Amino acid sequence: QVQLQESGPGLVKPSETLSLSCTVSGYSISSGYYWGWIRQPPGKGLEWIGNIYHSGSTYYNPSLKSRVTISVDTSKNQFSLKLTSVTAADTAVYYCARDGGYDTLTAYYKVAGWFDPWGQGTLVTVSS
Amino acid sequence: QSALTQPASVSGSPGQSITISCTGTSSDIGSYNLVSWYQQHPGKAPKLIIYEVSKRPSGVSNRFSGSKSGNTASLTISGLQAEDEADYYCCSYAGSTTFVLFGGGTKLTVL
Repeated sequence: QVQLQESGPGLVKPSETLSLSCTVSGYSISSGYYWGWIRQPPGKGLEWIGNIYHSGSTYYNPSLKSRVTISVDTSKNQFSLKLTSVTAADTAVYYCARDGGYDTLTAYYKVAGWFDPWGQGTLVTVSS
Repeated sequence: QSALTQPASVSGSPGQSITISCTGTSSDIGSYNLVSWYQQHPGKAPKLIIYEVSKRPSGVSNRFSGSKSGNTASLTISGLQAEDEADYYCCSYAGSTTFVLFGGGTKLTVL
């Protein structure tokens, strides 16, 4: 079955760049679907960060867009997240997930906002 | 754009049914049949339980059902069980500017 696994540093200093990768197994990213990042601050709700397609097409949360870059490496079957100029407010569990959006009429994959499966998540703490 | 609005908490006794609401606007829930619901137990990743308003992924109990009316979506859990105690989040596609919105989450307590 499709599995996702996040990896990256668990501690980032304020003003620096948070970098995470998501490795997908059981499915080739190049076969389709958008792939997304979602985060959850401790004790708080979920926040969508952005999605990427294997072609490199990206969609970002407008509130984070100026600081976020999501990229894809199809040779490694991975996609990655970079978040610049981090502060304590960026401390969260970061999840990667597959967006299941698919338009059966046009046979195009799309951003639909329903995510399955999810990675286990990785806690990133922003602190000096 | 603001998050979708959910009640902070709901509760019910075993065997009962409960409904969690998720209120958006005409720009998100009201415009698209792309509402999803997630169940999250403490320390675990969210699990998809409803997508496209009312569809259940394979393996999800038919005790979970979803619906939508206007700008409000609802998740109903029938025959409450102790293992249903968790946080529940709604999510909606919100158009080509905002794209994806989550609700603030609802904590379900099984009494």
